Amino acid sequence: GQQLNQSPQSMFIQEGEDVSMNCTSSSIFNTWLWYKQDPGEGPVLLIALYKAGELTSNGRLTAQFGITRKDSFLNISASIPSDVGIYFCAGRTSGTYKYIFGTGTRLKVLA
Amino acid sequence: DADVTQTPRNRITKTGKRIMLECSQTKGHDRMYWYRQDPGLGLRLIYYSFDVKDINKGEISDGYSVSRQAQAKFSLSLESAIPNQTALYFCATSDSTVSSYNEQFFGPGTRLTVL
Repeated sequence: GQQLNQSPQSMFIQEGEDVSMNCTSSSIFNTWLWYKQDPGEGPVLLIALYKAGELTSNGRLTAQFGITRKDSFLNISASIPSDVGIYFCAGRTSGTYKYIFGTGTRLKVLA
Repeated sequence: DADVTQTPRNRITKTGKRIMLECSQTKGHDRMYWYRQDPGLGLRLIYYSFDVKDINKGEISDGYSVSRQAQAKFSLSLESAIPNQTALYFCATSDSTVSSYNEQFFGPGTRLTVL
């Protein structure tokens, strides 16, 4: 099945650093979602993006819907230990209610 | 209490056994989904249901079946489990009456191991 390319696959950062990750697709998407998954838990919706160029924040998290509509970016500012987890993007094309999920970015924060 | 619950949370079974995973939601959402998560592959859709009388196959439905017993309940069955069905299984819901964008909300997952 179709998959999104999400990068990086994993990253180790120091507490206080900023984090950037992205997803790219060969398809044009109408909606992008960003989720975080903690160990042993299900993904939790962080941010939803609905139109090209949109920039949306949720606390220290900021996500952008790429102008080409084929990519999206998530930034985390001033990381803290509880930011540890796996971050997933998901995209939806026009005319479908189904989402395609990225392979995830595993984030580890060193105190 | 959690809005989307899954039972069991962990299950170990043997090849050939029939297994049922259950999902219940108190969110009042009309749409429900079953996904499978494998390392490095992200989430893949197994089945989805837009209401009690509507069942649709996802991208990896072979070897699985589902039942939507009520708006709040959606169960996934493995008729004859095989080792490559070892994975983390997630139930999700969405509300078509609130948003046309179909944002999905996930349960805590069931870790299934088939020996």
